[in-house]
Amino acid sequence: AQTVTQSQPEMSVQEAETVTLSCTYDTSESDYYLFWYKQPPSRQMILVIRQEAYKQQNATENRFSVNFQKAAKSFSLKISDSQLGDAAMYFCAYPYGGSQGNLIFGKGTKLSVKP
Amino acid sequence: EADIYQTPRYLVIGTGKKITLECSQTMGHDKMYWYQQDPGMELHLIHYSYGVNSTEKGDLSSESTVSRIRTEHFPLTLESARPSHTSQYLCASSVKSSYNEQFFGPGTRLTVL
Repeated sequence: AQTVTQSQPEMSVQEAETVTLSCTYDTSESDYYLFWYKQPPSRQMILVIRQEAYKQQNATENRFSVNFQKAAKSFSLKISDSQLGDAAMYFCAYPYGGSQGNLIFGKGTKLSVKP
Repeated sequence: EADIYQTPRYLVIGTGKKITLECSQTMGHDKMYWYQQDPGMELHLIHYSYGVNSTEKGDLSSESTVSRIRTEHFPLTLESARPSHTSQYLCASSVKSSYNEQFFGPGTRLTVL
């Protein structure tokens, strides 16, 4: 069965510090994409970062970066220099049934940022 | 501006009423989706569409129905609303590509009394 596991229901970080959100997945596909989405309270879900599985280089978008371990099927998100606006639900996702398949989402990690 | 829109944003309605949640996108995307999400919880796919005249049921069984008569429009209908339908409904779309990134609307928060 295709699954996505986010083992941390809640995380907390001090402003300006670094936090890592974990995600593991299970797929038999060899070429696929992985996504981290952010959902702020009462606001729209937006894409944070995307990783192509066939690329060994970890994706980076400003303060957001991933640690992609293909063999371990691990896809963690690192947020550096955390800001108050980073407080949100974070969902890890990948398409199942091939690259054109629907996304399967993890259950999410609620991130709090302390001033 | 290319975007995805949902109306209404909030809806409070009585039991037994028929409701339609609207979703439109101006990005020319082929695939569209409806998710149900309780506050702070995971997303459940309830419907999706590959294009015009295509509709499929998602992973979570739902009493709602959808239609796709135009590429840009993907409304969701509940014939008879019940309190168990109280939830947030998210619409999303994606283009046929090698990675299937989805873009989300702002959501409709539905409360059935």
